[in-house]
Amino acid sequence: EVQLVESGGDLIQPGGSLRLSCAASGFTVSSNYMSWVRQAPGKGLEWVSGFYSGGNTYYADSVRGRFTISRDNSKNTLYLQMNNLRAEDTAVYYCARHAEQMNYYFDYWGQGTLVTVSS
Amino acid sequence: DFVMTQSPDSLAVSLGERATINCKSSQSVLYSSNDKNYLAWYQHKPGQPPKLLIYWASTRASGVPDRFSGSGSGTDFTLTISSLQAEDVAVYYCLQYYSTPPGAFGQGTKLEIK
Repeated sequence: EVQLVESGGDLIQPGGSLRLSCAASGFTVSSNYMSWVRQAPGKGLEWVSGFYSGGNTYYADSVRGRFTISRDNSKNTLYLQMNNLRAEDTAVYYCARHAEQMNYYFDYWGQGTLVTVSS
Repeated sequence: DFVMTQSPDSLAVSLGERATINCKSSQSVLYSSNDKNYLAWYQHKPGQPPKLLIYWASTRASGVPDRFSGSGSGTDFTLTISSLQAEDVAVYYCLQYYSTPPGAFGQGTKLEIK
């Protein structure tokens, strides 16, 4: 059974750093395209970052230069390192798997982890 | 960049009636080499992760009731719920995955019971 479990969300002050984790089971992270998607309070879904084949990484303009996506194949885990956090980064962050081992739609999602950036 | 625009922003439908949500892409998401539309639909309820309903514009995901259907091609797409049930109250999003990276979601359509 495919499962994604996020962790690491917290209340953090503006300018602070946080690392989110997404532990996968039932499939191999290194063989799949993976992304982080967030939802700010009262807002819609926003794609944040993706880790694709060949180790290619992608970022939304709103987080480029502040966030870094990575993975640990030995732990079958995806990460999102978030630096210089801003109030507008407050959101539930979801880890999601792209379908068919390609850069396609998201077929599995984690339950999400809440990041609150506030002083 | 792709821009996905949904209409309406909110919708109230009576139980048992049809609900229709539209999604328009700023560029075609039809890939000519395989004749597939790179468009998906999601249902999102509070406190839950988004749920995949439709992919390739019209293929229903596993376990999704057949009252949900997707149609359209190129730049214009529709999600139809043929007979609204109480459990269908949610926000619905379209997503294009034609581009790399994908991730252009529509702004969402909030569906409520009238």
